[in-house]
Amino acid sequence: RKEVEQDPGPFNVPEGATVAFNCTYSNSASQSFFWYRQDCRKEPKLLMSVYSSGNEDGRFTAQLNRASQYISLLIRDSKLSDSATYLCVARGNTDKLIFGTGTRLQVFP
Amino acid sequence: EAQVTQNPRYLITVTGKKLTVTCSQNMNHEYMSWYRQDPGLGLRQIYYSMNVEVTDKGDVPEGYKVSRKEKRNFPLILESPSPNQTSLYFCASSRQDRVTYNEQFFGPGTRLTVL
Repeated sequence: RKEVEQDPGPFNVPEGATVAFNCTYSNSASQSFFWYRQDCRKEPKLLMSVYSSGNEDGRFTAQLNRASQYISLLIRDSKLSDSATYLCVARGNTDKLIFGTGTRLQVFP
Repeated sequence: EAQVTQNPRYLITVTGKKLTVTCSQNMNHEYMSWYRQDPGLGLRQIYYSMNVEVTDKGDVPEGYKVSRKEKRNFPLILESPSPNQTSLYFCASSRQDRVTYNEQFFGPGTRLTVL
């Protein structure tokens, strides 16, 4: 079983839609969680960190459920520019980041 | 401009011919890391370094070497490349602060093909 698992998608949604991605992690010792965004053939870039209480940044909301060991990302009012691959990342009590394989989002007009 | 640079960006080589991919960051970050990204497997860590002269193996270190003689540079060395090392490689750096949630800054990637 992979340490961090994501639905690969693709998720095809129209502009303005709300879309949610889930990610599960297997290591209960994982301490920090992140969502990174990666455009095709480009480097990953941090979208947001995920805090225990949940956090929001504009149209993006991240939630962490430690009991069920999953992280979610909600995107409201999707834009064409949101089309990308979203990587779920967990950091354990070592200094290693474990990346999921990513969920691809395609927003169409 | 704060950035991580990698060179070369694209490289086609042949089996067994030693090569080095350079990585440099100008943010005075302590932590640097190398990843490879393959379809269906995601990003996997090759080696990382928490500071000068300190390096550790990641998940897939076989066939690779690294060094950290200076804080800003973290080259990746393939002594005898093989076709299964054909991949997209990313270098990344971050502050080494266990208190905060650290953002990793990635270089633009090096696409390596080994024939």
